[in-house]
Amino acid sequence: QKEVEQDPGPLSVPEGAIVSLNCTYSNSAFQYFMWYRQYSRKGPELLMYTYSSGNKEDGRFTAQVDKSSKYISLFIRDSQPSDSATYLCAMSAGTGGSYIPTFGRGTSLIVHP
Amino acid sequence: EADIYQTPRYLVIGTGKKITLECSQTMGHDKMYWYQQDPGMELHLIHYSYGVNSTEKGDLSSESTVSRIRTEHFPLTLESARPSHTSQYLCASSELGGGPTDTQYFGPGTRLTVL
Repeated sequence: QKEVEQDPGPLSVPEGAIVSLNCTYSNSAFQYFMWYRQYSRKGPELLMYTYSSGNKEDGRFTAQVDKSSKYISLFIRDSQPSDSATYLCAMSAGTGGSYIPTFGRGTSLIVHP
Repeated sequence: EADIYQTPRYLVIGTGKKITLECSQTMGHDKMYWYQQDPGMELHLIHYSYGVNSTEKGDLSSESTVSRIRTEHFPLTLESARPSHTSQYLCASSELGGGPTDTQYFGPGTRLTVL
């Protein structure tokens, strides 16, 4: 079983839709949760991070963590064609001074006008 | 935009060739990483470094080697390329002691094809 599971999609939605992207994980030691966005032919860039359980909002983006269910989500409100990209979740335990994250395989999102 | 550079961006070579993928960053970051990424698959950590003269193997060493002689430079070498090495290689860097999120800044990647 992979430590981090993420549906690769693609997920196709119309412009303006609310998008929900999700990851599940098996390692209960994970405490730090991140979402990266990767455009085609580019490297990933950090979008948001959260620590432990709870929600975090940044503009149109909301990250949610439910540690009891080992489930994290990224919501995108009023989605735009420019949001079309692959979204990777990543998480780390943050122990021993090493915070090297474990990545999901990414979900491809297509927002069509 | 992150100041981390990778060259070449695309490379097609024959089996058995020795190649070096270059990665440089101008942010003064101590930590640097190499990942392998296949389409629709997870990023796999190949090597990482916490600073000059420090190198560690990741989950997927992929028969490659790295060196860290200068803070800003972290090249990846394949001594004898094979078709199984065909993939995208991503370099990243982060601050030492940057905190638990350990924000990684990624380069644009090198797309390697071994014939």
